[in-house]
Amino acid sequence: KNQVEQSPQSLIILEGKNCTLQCNYTVSPFSNLRWYKQDTGRGPVSLTIMTFSENTKSNGRYTATLDADTKQSSLHITASQLSDSASYICVVSPTNDYKLSFGAGTTVTVRA
Amino acid sequence: DSGVTQTPKHLITATGQRVTLRCSPRSGDLSVYWYQQSLDQGLQFLIQYYNGEERAKGNILERFSAQQFPDLHSELNLSSLELGDSALYFCASSGASGGHNEQFFGPGTRLTVL
Repeated sequence: KNQVEQSPQSLIILEGKNCTLQCNYTVSPFSNLRWYKQDTGRGPVSLTIMTFSENTKSNGRYTATLDADTKQSSLHITASQLSDSASYICVVSPTNDYKLSFGAGTTVTVRA
Repeated sequence: DSGVTQTPKHLITATGQRVTLRCSPRSGDLSVYWYQQSLDQGLQFLIQYYNGEERAKGNILERFSAQQFPDLHSELNLSSLELGDSALYFCASSGASGGHNEQFFGPGTRLTVL
């Protein structure tokens, strides 16, 4: 079973609207949790990185939250733009392992 | 631009063949990671090198091998290629060996096996 589960698998939103992506993980203990944005056919680009002690981190219109007690994270996109159409990947870094745990990603499509 | 370069950008070959993918990490980064991403699939970790030595191994097939050279560039060798090996192959680099360090991804190599 994957240690990082993301939902929904995909979603479509209208330009200008907000949306929230979910990430549930079982990795424990962990050093940090990251959200990456991956445009189709391109390499992932880091959006936010949070340590286990942080609750929220923003990067422009992207805001990530982390609840280490419930092992949940969310990524909120505000006032979506067409350029936000991409796959968003949640990645958890275990404390005692070199290998990262990747979620399968949520594909976001923003329509005009 | 992440500073990580990968060549070639595209590669088309036939089943049974062997190919080599190349990655140059960001200046100063000692760790290199290789990932495979099949169509509509998540990133699958293959292998990590740190300063020339293998550090961690993921779901890498025996037909695949990698190495990191003294100048820190890395190569991923794929042999006896099968149709299912068609995928995007990403290289990432980080400044240290631990997984908690941020990884910067290259643009990827798209491999098509016919």
